[in-house]
Amino acid sequence: DAGVIQSPRHEVTEMGQEVTLRCKPISGHDYLFWYRQTMMRGLELLIYFNNNVPIDDSGMPEDRFSAKMPNASFSTLKIQPSEPRDSAVYFCASSLATGGAQYFGPGTRLLVL
Amino acid sequence: AQTVTQSQPEMSVQEAETVTLSCTYDTSENNYYLFWYKQPPSRQMILVIRQEAYKQQNATENRFSVNFQKAAKSFSLKISDSQLGDTAMYFCAFIMGGSNYKLTFGKGTLLTVNP
Repeated sequence: DAGVIQSPRHEVTEMGQEVTLRCKPISGHDYLFWYRQTMMRGLELLIYFNNNVPIDDSGMPEDRFSAKMPNASFSTLKIQPSEPRDSAVYFCASSLATGGAQYFGPGTRLLVL
Repeated sequence: AQTVTQSQPEMSVQEAETVTLSCTYDTSENNYYLFWYKQPPSRQMILVIRQEAYKQQNATENRFSVNFQKAAKSFSLKISDSQLGDTAMYFCAFIMGGSNYKLTFGKGTLLTVNP
């Protein structure tokens, strides 16, 4: 079975532009998570979904960030407008309802100039 | 709130030797899970091993094993026969059982395996 799939793997954009990150979770997993990793702040949970419904978005930094999960096999994280401080590696992860283990995608390395 | 502490920011080991990475956590819960994740230079987060708090037996995955001391709230990772490919950042992580699915990560230990 394929793991978590993320696209794009790398994104370079200019400040003010809209950025959309995409994720396909492992088939059958009930939970989907979006994380951000920076040197300064480490791994931060941004938001997570259960059965396509957002459960906790308290980690979303501000209104410029939004996430959707229109179906069980697809989620997006959008930043509009992007700022240089958004530069980071963004991970998507998924898990089953029991057991707690989260399986991470390869990440999207975002650079906002 | 739960916290996870990894007291060793960096460690090194010679190839083929054994190394132990330490992790302690703080929680008042009785039902929880513990994990070790590995992040090599590729930045991929890879699940190494998983331990249920209610199991007394220490988890093992090939060359990786844990020493889970529930009373001491300690969860160390032992890597046997270290290989160059084990060079990575290692994160200890904690999640409560039940309906809370937030993983709490430690700050990580950078392990370098030397030839």
